Amino acid sequence: GESVGLHLPTLSVQEGDNSIINCAYSNSASDYFIWYKQESGKGPQFIIDIRSNMDKRQGQRVTVLLNKTVKHLSLQIAATQPGDSAVYFCAEDFTGANSKLTFGKGITLSVRP
Amino acid sequence: EPEVTQTPSHQVTQMGQEVILRCVPISNHLYFYWYRQILGQKVEFLVSFYNNEISEKSEIFDDQFSVERPDGSNFTLKIRSTKLEDSAMYFCASMKGGNTEAFFGQGTRLTVV
Repeated sequence: GESVGLHLPTLSVQEGDNSIINCAYSNSASDYFIWYKQESGKGPQFIIDIRSNMDKRQGQRVTVLLNKTVKHLSLQIAATQPGDSAVYFCAEDFTGANSKLTFGKGITLSVRP
Repeated sequence: EPEVTQTPSHQVTQMGQEVILRCVPISNHLYFYWYRQILGQKVEFLVSFYNNEISEKSEIFDDQFSVERPDGSNFTLKIRSTKLEDSAMYFCASMKGGNTEAFFGQGTRLTVV
């Protein structure tokens, strides 16, 4: 069925290293993808988005890569900081005008000092 | 910075009781959503609301659930007869336009006992 999923449940990185979080999606009709960060007890917080007509988009310390051929999305965080520790979700939107987000399973990013 | 606000932050209710979760979306947004997150799991879509009517709803959103936008600012989720399995974090989100960034509230933790 249609699903958005993450490859690994947890990721532990050293402070200052780069982090890469991966996500697979199954619906080729999806045309909008978003990464959210969720800290404990809080709602999802937008990090970065990308539309299906793009392969790469950069923000401040974050980069999202989209590979439509293999239906793969990744989030790269440069120089990971302790404040980056959180659960990260990828989400896709494939309902056109109605717009609803389908979230993948979260991955916990843990930054070691 | 504008934000989505939700009240209450925590609601404890007896099984079978009715609850109303309240949300104030960002003022110039047009699309409104309710999502829920069972502890430790992914965020699940419940319902989307646009132009004063439900656009789409998930399988979870059965006859026990209803949404309302009673005035120009509030957006409510009512669960008519709560069940133990309704215990979760409920997030309200709003979006300015289709396929744009969804802003999430801090959530209401609903505990059904």
